[in-house]
Amino acid sequence: GAGVSQSPSNKVTEKGKDVELRCDPISGHTALYWYRQRLGQGLEFLIYFQGNSAPDKSGLPSDRFSAERTGESVSTLTIQRTQQEDSAVYLCASSLDRGQVGGYTFGSGTRLTVV
Amino acid sequence: GQQLNQSPQSMFIQEGEDVSMNCTSSSIFNTWLWYKQDPGEGPVLLIALYKAGELTSNGRLTAQFGITRKDSFLNISASIPSDVGIYFCAGQSTSGTYKYIFGTGTRLKVLA
Repeated sequence: GAGVSQSPSNKVTEKGKDVELRCDPISGHTALYWYRQRLGQGLEFLIYFQGNSAPDKSGLPSDRFSAERTGESVSTLTIQRTQQEDSAVYLCASSLDRGQVGGYTFGSGTRLTVV
Repeated sequence: GQQLNQSPQSMFIQEGEDVSMNCTSSSIFNTWLWYKQDPGEGPVLLIALYKAGELTSNGRLTAQFGITRKDSFLNISASIPSDVGIYFCAGQSTSGTYKYIFGTGTRLKVLA
């Protein structure tokens, strides 16, 4: 597509439930990144995909967080047994390659609220 | 790990004034980027810097890649109301997976 698309744009869930967040990167972009942005905070790196593999998962905060990518395209970030501290905007970004000149293109994010 | 300190955290300025913000790190970065984020949107790239000492302009925006590769600044001249938003610097890691590390942001409010 023309840009990075994320869905849903907003998600409210009850504490303890699992959620799945989806990212459709720009077609042909091999690198895909997930970041978390808590209210009033900067962007916190979560995970990086090159193709379908994830060489850098160092930012995932706990084993409740996981992500996968298929077909070198769509990625899903899953949060199990959500906690209130998981409330944040989850941003996805993609680029042609990991070292692409020009940085990433971001989606508009999924705003997750855990109640 | 690598961290970026961004200052000021927030600023209120009058329309027409010039704005300056900066970003510093204890580590060396290969590339510096400056992004702007509007409410409810993802960050949008403003300027990219690739060489130490590089000075780059994009309209009313000017950014420089510090000679030590540990800092960068962004200037906005003659601010207008639509400059309101959060400005993030980002540095590209020199090792590993080359991911970008983001600063905590400078929140800019322009008073008409």
